[in-house]
Amino acid sequence: EADIYQTPRYLVIGTGKKITLECSQTMGHDKMYWYQQDPGMELHLIHYSYGVNSTEKGDLSSESTVSRIRTEHFPLTLESARPSHTSQYLCASSEDRAPYEQYFGPGTRLTVT
Amino acid sequence: QKEVEQNSGPLSVPEGAIASLNCTYSDRGSQSFFWYRQYSGKSPELIMFIYSNGDKEDGRFTAQLNKASQYVSLLIRDSQPSDSATYLCAVDPMEYGNKLVFGAGTILRVKS
Repeated sequence: EADIYQTPRYLVIGTGKKITLECSQTMGHDKMYWYQQDPGMELHLIHYSYGVNSTEKGDLSSESTVSRIRTEHFPLTLESARPSHTSQYLCASSEDRAPYEQYFGPGTRLTVT
Repeated sequence: QKEVEQNSGPLSVPEGAIASLNCTYSDRGSQSFFWYRQYSGKSPELIMFIYSNGDKEDGRFTAQLNKASQYVSLLIRDSQPSDSATYLCAVDPMEYGNKLVFGAGTILRVKS
């Protein structure tokens, strides 16, 4: 059973607000990921981290930023939310060894009005 | 060409039948192959992974890998309505630094 948590699960917020989506895992995994997924659409990698103080942008351009100060914590921040940011955000983690299977958190459904 | 290709479906099968889901990939250097299940509005859940040619069985699920033909499939025996979900195939192409590339998923509907 994967232990990866995301808060909040649902967030409705107005345009221009700063938001932080939290993601924590208790498995000691070095690698962590953020994906964005619209309903019925495919997953898009927006950020990943290979360890503390290591972050990279993913395949899909995103206005969000991430940080990795602690192994277990990988928050995602939007400085100024816009309606185009409305989506589901999924956090995942994996060990740094084969087969690199990823375990997902429950997700945060963000709505920007 | 996409790294990972799946038929979007929906694939409809009657309850009790075998559901066969297929996935092709482009990077011959890929080492590991994964099947995830995603219910509507939920996050993906790992079903199983395979990295050797041949079959791998886990309960009602069997993953099949053919590296020469670059395809991986998932068979679900005795399909149940609770199996109705989107099934995502994922691959770890060598050029992606062990990050996974996900297919767009196949919608499976099991009719009772």
